[in-house]
Amino acid sequence: DAKTTQPNSMESNEEEPVHLPCNHSTISGTDYIHWYRQLPSQGPEYVIHGLTSNVNNRMASLAIAEDRKSSTLILHRATLRDAAVYYCILRRWGTGANNLFFGTGTRLTVIP
Amino acid sequence: NAGVTQTPKFQVLKTGQSMTLQCAQDMNHEYMSWYRQDPGMGLRLIHYSVGAGITDQGEVPNGYNVSRSTTEDFPLRLLSAAPSQTSVYFCASSPFFGEGIGGYTFGSGTRLTVV
Repeated sequence: DAKTTQPNSMESNEEEPVHLPCNHSTISGTDYIHWYRQLPSQGPEYVIHGLTSNVNNRMASLAIAEDRKSSTLILHRATLRDAAVYYCILRRWGTGANNLFFGTGTRLTVIP
Repeated sequence: NAGVTQTPKFQVLKTGQSMTLQCAQDMNHEYMSWYRQDPGMGLRLIHYSVGAGITDQGEVPNGYNVSRSTTEDFPLRLLSAAPSQTSVYFCASSPFFGEGIGGYTFGSGTRLTVV
């Protein structure tokens, strides 16, 4: 499975935008880019996913580079509730089991 | 909708004891999986299932057994607990890939301590 690389930690001020980067230089054509987050003492929570085009939902936006070798999760206005570990994961579409393989993610600290 | 329900939330076992961690989902998801998470680390896949009667091993399957007799339930069994199995265990489910690629739904976890 293709690997992703994320910074170990990032900080943001409350109510400011946050850009969380992810590198996935070995991505294949059928790999979707997924983002999950894990709040303290909780299970991971789905945030957003995309294939080639930028995606928006109520939680965040996902910007995907034209060559798909990197992506950025954008939180438009960070709140204290957004403090979590954010995981960037590649999920291959197709036959067979399509498991999620987690790295260590980026720990986001939101400063009041 | 309850989503994914895991029981118990906390458990302490003695070395050598056996137990079953329960996982149930009410979303009619075909795919279910078990992960463990050790302190400061990401989740590691233990076992998974793509439908009733079908299971397979993940990254760290040793010491764990699973079965999938119904779509709803996917229990994880520890036959002889060891201190190395002290961890937080998460169950997850999702629709099968072919029906549209979406997100996994995770349970709230079972914190297991083996002494």
